[in-house]
Amino acid sequence: ETGVTQTPRHLVMGMTNKKSLKCEQHLGHNAMYWYKQSAKKPLELMFVYSLEERVENNSVPSRFSPECPNSSHLFLHLHTLQPEDSALYLCASSRDRNQPQHFGDGTRLSIL
Amino acid sequence: GEDVEQSLFLSVREGDSSVINCTYTDSSSTYLYWYKQEPGAGLQLLTYIFSNMDMKQDQRLTVLLNKKDKHLSLRIADTQTGDSAIYFCAESMDHTGFQKLVFGTGTRLLVSP
Repeated sequence: ETGVTQTPRHLVMGMTNKKSLKCEQHLGHNAMYWYKQSAKKPLELMFVYSLEERVENNSVPSRFSPECPNSSHLFLHLHTLQPEDSALYLCASSRDRNQPQHFGDGTRLSIL
Repeated sequence: GEDVEQSLFLSVREGDSSVINCTYTDSSSTYLYWYKQEPGAGLQLLTYIFSNMDMKQDQRLTVLLNKKDKHLSLRIADTQTGDSAIYFCAESMDHTGFQKLVFGTGTRLLVSP
């Protein structure tokens, strides 16, 4: 139990679908992150939120849309994805934006 | 540039010590981290070291930091089969007001009985 819960654990979707990934942290942290983990590549930072304000958008295509309604919840809205977007999407949180990050177990996303 | 390098694979026997090595590029990194990833799971924070330290010990784990050579290592004493996983090294970089982590591609540790 990491204190960071991601749902769903697995998602298969077509390129024209719209879906959302959810992340919830129970650690009382103020910063949350989305990462993408693809095979044979280092983890790629996608978005950073601190106190519900987006502080980083790491050149992510607009087909990925994050939402942070409060400091405990983070969403990643997906639409019109491409096959190369198939990956493990990891959420992380930290006490503030300069403290160690704690990760969830990820959502394994497959685009057909 | 941002680059963290690790060897891809390490195989040891149960009971031996494992040493996983990492080199990084940013001499101004504040913290350096070791994460563990088991199959089907996310990254588990194992330990981290502040850049003004050169060693940190936590039970079976020992982290050594050589700032001059930008080299970080993780030693696991008395390695168990449950230690089989992928180990990621990460350096922190100050980036527009937050601590950006730059990860290596991971070292797969295989522990045989």
